[in-house]
Amino acid sequence: NAGVTQTPKFQVLKTGQSMTLQCAQDMNHNSMYWYRQDPGMGLRLIYYSASEGTTDKGEVPNGYNVSRLNKREFSLRLESAAPSQTSVYFCASSEFRTRKETQYFGPGTRLLVL
Amino acid sequence: QQPVQSPQAVILREGEDAVINCSSSKALYSVHWYRQKHGEAPVFLMILLKGGEQKGHDKISASFNEKKQQSSLYLTASQLSYSGTYFCGTEMSAGGTSYGKLTFGQGTILTVHP
Repeated sequence: NAGVTQTPKFQVLKTGQSMTLQCAQDMNHNSMYWYRQDPGMGLRLIYYSASEGTTDKGEVPNGYNVSRLNKREFSLRLESAAPSQTSVYFCASSEFRTRKETQYFGPGTRLLVL
Repeated sequence: QQPVQSPQAVILREGEDAVINCSSSKALYSVHWYRQKHGEAPVFLMILLKGGEQKGHDKISASFNEKKQQSSLYLTASQLSYSGTYFCGTEMSAGGTSYGKLTFGQGTILTVHP
């Protein structure tokens, strides 16, 4: 039982390049989330998926797109990377049936945009 | 709106106690507490639900005052392993359409020295 996995662990991009961050969970959770973490800012929600086939914007969605490929996988795409997108990106998942469940986080992807 | 955590940082010696507070201007349904070690993913500690319950986990406990929209995390007889950044994540009370979305505070850095 791996929990939440993310690939890649590290990535360096040049401004204007594109890339996709992958996330998968094996806990059969319905909801999945993408966050970015910047120093002193805590975790900020980029996009979330309440269930398979649905996605919605979070607090900081500009410059990102997402795809909920199936129940297990939720990817985050940067179409044209900018230095302001340098951050640590965390994927999380949650069962979210009774509102008593919490979120479980993946190990993170550290992204540097030059 | 992001909850506010206080203090921003605290330094302890082993065996001392600490309290970390989390305040929101919005009506809350739940408060989730996480601890994050440097370079790692946030790890779930406990969840407090609307109803003012208090929970405990070893020597770490928490309370939730829904009238004041505040939660406090209590760490007693601190150990070196308690060092890290503590985050509160809050879920708003408005209906059941939050889909488990959490808004995180900026974090409290806890350092425990021998």
